[in-house]
Order: sequence, then structure tokens, then C-alpha cells
Amino acid sequence: GDSVTQTEGQVTVSESKSLIINCTYSATSIAYPNLFWYVRYPGEGLQLLLKVITAGQKGSSRGFEATYNKETTSFHLQKASVQESDSAVYYCALSDNSGGSNYKLTFGKGTLLTVTP
Amino acid sequence: NAGVIQTPRHKVTGKGQEATLWCEPISGHSAVFWYRQTIVQGLEFLTYFRNQAPIDDSGMPKERFSAQMPNQSHSTLKIQSTQPQDSAVYLCASSSDTGQLYFGEGSKLTVL
Repeated sequence: GDSVTQTEGQVTVSESKSLIINCTYSATSIAYPNLFWYVRYPGEGLQLLLKVITAGQKGSSRGFEATYNKETTSFHLQKASVQESDSAVYYCALSDNSGGSNYKLTFGKGTLLTVTP
Repeated sequence: NAGVIQTPRHKVTGKGQEATLWCEPISGHSAVFWYRQTIVQGLEFLTYFRNQAPIDDSGMPKERFSAQMPNQSHSTLKIQSTQPQDSAVYLCASSSDTGQLYFGEGSKLTVL
């Protein structure tokens, strides 16, 4: 089946430093799945941060970026300068976009980001 | 916009008891999804309704779990004869035709 791997369970970064959270995927059902980053801020529900549905394209939101790399099957999340308010749990996910079934998300285990002052 | 509302936020049951979790989707959204989150398995898809009709329950355990959507304003997930391994955070999400999922804060179920 499909799978998503986030190698870091926890990341601590100082404010204003750069960030990268690694995500690789394996999609057995289709060649080019849709890719997502979701975020869960403390006390809030899981929410979409960004998505990319075309291989080779980059998505961005709130200063975060991720590029859909089909060669390395990766979708790493990056930010040039983090803020304390970015502290949250980040989830990489994919979905099968065949037959209109663009709903069944397969998630990574999540990465807890802590930004220190 | 109140977002997706899930109740209860926390539920503790004894082994063998029944647990029912409720979800109120965002008004106007046509699809409702249930996911389960555990430390070991992470976030897993359970089931999905569109316009109140069950579309895909491939992630639901074959026994003891059932989900319903009796009207457009709420869905329920029922677990009969709860077991300790059912302990998890159960997440509900809804979406409109755009396909973006909006999640509730989840219901944390603890089975003693």
C-alpha cells in the first residue's frame, strides 16, 4: 500500500533559523499522487498548510515551501526563518487522485516542531 | 464558521462497554470522514460519507465498529465492546466539493 515517511519525530530550532522537515513517499496505487502538508497547532484541529498536485511544482504558504520531486519521491517542507508561532506538529500526506477518490489521505507519523526564542 | 465539532473531547470507558463519538461537520459540506490516530499506527483512514451515504469503509475494523450519518448535520462512530487497543484519538473531517479536508480537534478515547 501507499506510505509516507517522516524521518524526524521531533525537531527543535531557534527562532529566525532555517528549517527542513523531510518527507518521502511510496505510492503503489498510482504514479503521481497528490501531496500535502498538514499542521496541528496546540489546541486546534489538523489543518491544511499546503498542497501540490503536479510533479515538479512547488507549493507555499505562511512562509513554508515544499517541492514535489518525483525522481526522489520526496516532498520536504522548508522555511527560511521560523518563528515561535510555527511550533506545531507537521504531517506529510498523500492521496490517490484516480477516479475522483481524492480524499483518502495517507499520513506520515508527524514531526513535532519546537521553536525556541 | 464554527469548524468541525467533535464530542466528547475525552471519553473513558471500561473494557467491554460501548462508546459513541459524535461529529458535526461544517454546514454545507457534503463529505464526512473518520480517521483514527495512535502512537503506533499514526493517522489511519476509517470511513467516508458523501451526502450522508456511506462511500468507503475500507479502513473500518470488521467487528465492533460502525459509523452512521443519519442527517447532514451529524455523524456518529460507535464502538461496541471496547477493548484497550481501541484507545486512540478519533478525528472527524468534512469537506465541500473542493476536496480540502477540515478536521475537528478529535475525541480521545481511553479504554481501561
